[in-house]
Amino acid sequence: SYVLTQPPSVSVAPGQTARITCGGNNIGSKSVHWYQQKPGQAPVLVVYDDSDRPSGIPERFSGSNSGNTATLTISRVEAGDEADYYCQVWDSSSDHFYVFGTGTKVTVL
Amino acid sequence: EVQLVESGGGLVQPGGSLRLSCAASGFTFSSYEMNWVRQAPGKGLEWVSYISSSGSTIYYADSVKGRFTISRDNAKNSLYLQMNSLRAEDTAVYYCARNTATLYGSYYFDYWGQGTLVTVSS
Repeated sequence: SYVLTQPPSVSVAPGQTARITCGGNNIGSKSVHWYQQKPGQAPVLVVYDDSDRPSGIPERFSGSNSGNTATLTISRVEAGDEADYYCQVWDSSSDHFYVFGTGTKVTVL
Repeated sequence: EVQLVESGGGLVQPGGSLRLSCAASGFTFSSYEMNWVRQAPGKGLEWVSYISSSGSTIYYADSVKGRFTISRDNAKNSLYLQMNSLRAEDTAVYYCARNTATLYGSYYFDYWGQGTLVTVSS
């Protein structure tokens, strides 16, 4: 089955840039979606189709995808961005059609 | 405003059964595919099951195939998950999530409910 690998944690100072990677075999050929999950809350979509933002999501959230790595970038990080972030792809050949990454905890120092 | 509200979670013994419900509002439920996604305590997200807008197409993760049954009632704007032969490893928060297709043939979840906790323990 298709596997998406994320770093367990990323730490960043307020105002700086956080980059969260999502690694998968030839992931650049797939559309990648990103979710933010704060403690005790449901996930929220922050980026879809590699780099598009749903309405209401700040421009500080952006995404890219190429080769074997997709990246979610959070610019000008705020304390409220502290959360778990998950990447996701749809893979019809996998036993889990909807494949999630392992998740990354973003800590704002 | 799109709302998804799950119910039906609770404590159940191993081998037991439970039926989850998800009440949808704020959109035309019958036009959307729906899913169940779960999250074990302290763990990541795991897709569980998918159902098409009409209910005619259904998929399951291998981990629940043969034990869980997804269904929907479009007249009641409701999604269900019948869970049988429950195991300790099924302990998780279960979310219902609305499906959206992209122009590139991919799918993602644009709205999620708040989740309902299922605990399988003796």
